[in-house]
Amino acid sequence: GQQLNQSPQSMFIQEGEDVSMNCTSSSIFNTWLWYKQDPGEGPVLLIALYKAGELTSNGRLTAQFGITRKDSFLNISASIPSDVGIYFCAGQLEGQTGANNLFFGTGTRLTVIP
Amino acid sequence: ETGVTQTPRHLVMGMTNKKSLKCEQHLGHNAMYWYKQSAKKPLELMFVYNFKEQTENNSVPSRFSPECPNSSHLFLHLHTLQPEDSALYLCASSQVYSGDTQYFGPGTRLTVL
Repeated sequence: GQQLNQSPQSMFIQEGEDVSMNCTSSSIFNTWLWYKQDPGEGPVLLIALYKAGELTSNGRLTAQFGITRKDSFLNISASIPSDVGIYFCAGQLEGQTGANNLFFGTGTRLTVIP
Repeated sequence: ETGVTQTPRHLVMGMTNKKSLKCEQHLGHNAMYWYKQSAKKPLELMFVYNFKEQTENNSVPSRFSPECPNSSHLFLHLHTLQPEDSALYLCASSQVYSGDTQYFGPGTRLTVL
């Protein structure tokens, strides 16, 4: 199946620091999504991106749809302890519709040290 | 509150047991999904239902049997599972033509002994 390379796999940061993570693929995507999963819970949709170059914010979170359409970035500013969790990227291939064409990354595990 | 509920939240079963997982969505969606989440692996799509009709079955073993009686409810019937089936099973829903924007339930943590 399609592979999304998400990095880093894990991060340990001090409270107040900014965080950056990204997701890359060898294929072109027409949709990029970012989810957060808290321990013992299901993923929650944070940001959805539908156009190359699109930059979208949700509070302290900002995500960008890469110009090449093969990557996406998520930034978290001024991290706080409740940012802890696993962040997943997901992408839908160009020209495809339906859930069977939604691919997930392996996640970035974020730990925030107070 | 995501609008998608799953029960039970935790399940321990032996390999000879039969059990069922339940999912209910309160979002007015018409597509529902089952995913398997194992440690350090991407989410694996198992089944997709659009308007109560199964449209995808990603080579899932027959010991997993889905059922979708209506657009709001989805079940996953389990029988003669293997220890490697232990995982978090997630249900999700969306509008049929917005299959990318899925909303997930909290999952059922399944342990097969």
